[in-house]
Amino acid sequence: KQEVTQIPAALSVPEGENLVLNCSFTDSAIYNLQWFRQDPGKGLTSLLLIQSSQREQTSGRLNASLDKSSGRSTLYIAASQPGDSATYLCALHILTGGGNKLTFGTGTQLKVEL
Amino acid sequence: EAQVTQNPRYLITVTGKKLTVTCSQNMNHEYMSWYRQDPGLGLRQIYYSMNVEVTDKGDVPEGYKVSRKEKRNFPLILESPSPNQTSLYFCASSLSVGASSYEQYFGPGTRLTVT
Repeated sequence: KQEVTQIPAALSVPEGENLVLNCSFTDSAIYNLQWFRQDPGKGLTSLLLIQSSQREQTSGRLNASLDKSSGRSTLYIAASQPGDSATYLCALHILTGGGNKLTFGTGTQLKVEL
Repeated sequence: EAQVTQNPRYLITVTGKKLTVTCSQNMNHEYMSWYRQDPGLGLRQIYYSMNVEVTDKGDVPEGYKVSRKEKRNFPLILESPSPNQTSLYFCASSLSVGASSYEQYFGPGTRLTVT
C-alpha cells in the first residue's frame, strides 16, 4: 500500500526565508504529483501539478520537483510571506481501474512570522 | 469562474436523519469524487465517478451513497448518518481522458456534525 509522508509536520519561519517542504512515497508507480495548500477550515487550493514525465514545475515563488526513482518530491517556497501560512499537502495521482485517485500525504503546517 | 461548489457548507444533524450534500462543477469534467478529512487520518476517498451513471467505491464507502445522473452534479447521500460520520467533506473534479491524470479541483468543503 502506498504511504506518503511529509516532513516536517510543522514549521515556523521568519518572513523572507526560503524554505523546503518534503514529500516521500513508498511506491514509485505513480502517475503525477500535485501540491495543495489548505487554510484552516477551508478547502484545498491546487498549487502545482507535476506530470510524471517532468522533473519540476514552477509557479511564481513556488518550485516543485519530483524524483520518482527515490520516491521524493520537494516544494520550494522562496521569500516566504505571512500569507503563505497554511497546511501544505502533497498528493499522488494513482491510476487504477477506477481512474485518477489521489493519495494524500500527512501535511506540513507552515507558519510564517513577521 | 471555473469552480466546484458544495452545499451546505455547514450542517449539524441528528443520528439517523437522511441528508444529502450537493456537489456541482462547471468545468465539464468527467471525473468526480468525494473525500473526507479527519484529524490524524488525512483525506480519504469515499466514492468516485468516471462519468455519468458510472460510480464506484473508494477507500471508505460504508454508510454513504452517491449518484451521477448529470455530468455536472455528484451528490453524496447519507441514508442514516451516525456520529462517526462527523467530518469535513470535500468534492473534487478533474478531466479524465484516456490513461492520463489531470489536475484535480476541490470544493470549499462541508463540515458535517452528527449528534
